[in-house]
Amino acid sequence: EVQLVESGGGLVQPGGSLRLSCAASGFTFSSSWMHWVRQVPGKGLVWVSVINTDGSKTNYADSVKGRFTISRDNAKNTLYLQMNSLRGEDAAVYYCASGGPGSGPGSWGQGTLVTVSS
Amino acid sequence: DVVVTQSPVSLPVSLGQPASISCRSSQSLVHSDGNTYLSWFQQRPGQSPRRLIYKISNRDSGVPDRFSGSGSGTDFTLKISRVEAEDVGVYYCMQGAHWPLTFGGGTKVEIK
Repeated sequence: EVQLVESGGGLVQPGGSLRLSCAASGFTFSSSWMHWVRQVPGKGLVWVSVINTDGSKTNYADSVKGRFTISRDNAKNTLYLQMNSLRGEDAAVYYCASGGPGSGPGSWGQGTLVTVSS
Repeated sequence: DVVVTQSPVSLPVSLGQPASISCRSSQSLVHSDGNTYLSWFQQRPGQSPRRLIYKISNRDSGVPDRFSGSGSGTDFTLKISRVEAEDVGVYYCMQGAHWPLTFGGGTKVEIK
């Protein structure tokens, strides 16, 4: 069974940094593209970033480009999202998900809440 | 960015009745590899999203066959043949043909 468990969310001040992690199990992590998707509670889904199987290709939403960095450690079956220069509009539940670049996120974690406030 | 527009925003449906959700994109979703990358997701209240359908009409494992997807180019539809109580939630379409990936705004399905 595919399991994706996010961690690292919490309260951070505007301008601060946070690193999210996503521990994967139940599938071949090193063969899977991985995504981050966020959702303000009560609002819609917003795709954030994707990384290919070996980490050599990444893509970002314009709203986070230059501030967020996606990475992975295939030896640890873990996906990361380094978030810098955080803004109020970055506050959301962040989901990690596995899935190809075209068909998108096929399996999702339970999400981790990021709050940006002074 | 490709804009994905869903309608209706809210869809009250009686149990056992069919439901249909429309999804339109601002550009063709036919990728250079020949595939059309349009997926559908379901988010039940209090749960993480779940993908139902990918590449227009391919159901994910475990998805009931009352869910079906159709369409081409820029115009797509998700149909539920007979709505059940467990189908309540918000449905999103997503295009994967162009970066960045973009979701529609969502359609809330509720029981009338």
